[in-house]
Amino acid sequence: RKEVEQDPGPFNVPEGATVAFNCTYSNSASQSFFWYRQDCRKEPKLLMSVYSSGNEDGRFTAQLNRASQYISLLIRDSKLSDSATYLCVVNSGGNTGKLIFGQGTTLQVKP
Amino acid sequence: DAGVIQSPRHEVTEMGQEVTLRCKPISGHNSLFWYRQTMMRGLELLIYFNNNVPIDDSGMPEDRFSAKMPNASFSTLKIQPSEPRDSAVYFCASSFTSFSEAFFGQGTRLTVV
Repeated sequence: RKEVEQDPGPFNVPEGATVAFNCTYSNSASQSFFWYRQDCRKEPKLLMSVYSSGNEDGRFTAQLNRASQYISLLIRDSKLSDSATYLCVVNSGGNTGKLIFGQGTTLQVKP
Repeated sequence: DAGVIQSPRHEVTEMGQEVTLRCKPISGHNSLFWYRQTMMRGLELLIYFNNNVPIDDSGMPEDRFSAKMPNASFSTLKIQPSEPRDSAVYFCASSFTSFSEAFFGQGTRLTVV
């Protein structure tokens, strides 16, 4: 089983739609969680950190469910510019800071 | 700060040649990561360092791969000898602490022919 698993998609949605991605992780000792965005032929960039209480940044909402070991990302009112690959990232636990990336979920927003 | 700097941006080499990829992390960051990305396997963690010490190299494919971090501002990833299956984008990333987010360089696109 992979340490971090995501549905690769692609998710094809119209502009203005709401879309949600989920990610599961296997190491219950994991302590830090992030969502990254990667555009074609570019490096991954931090979209947002994920906190236990959930957090929101504009149209983006991230949630963490430690009991079920999954993380979610919700994008509201999607824009054409949201088209990208979204990567779930988990710190594998302990104090060594091993950041493990999921395979990524591809989102294509269409006019 | 200029961010994480990687060189070269592109590398084309012949099978059997030695390849050295270079990385300068963000000043003050204590952790450094080397990743490899391919369409088939996604982003794979090869090795990471904490305070210049290799912590986990279990992702290094085989003995042909080696990485060093002689000081806090420089790291190298070496492949010797290179093979066509090593063709990928290699990213270096650094983070301030073991638990904080990582910042990526622009990557080195390696093609082995």
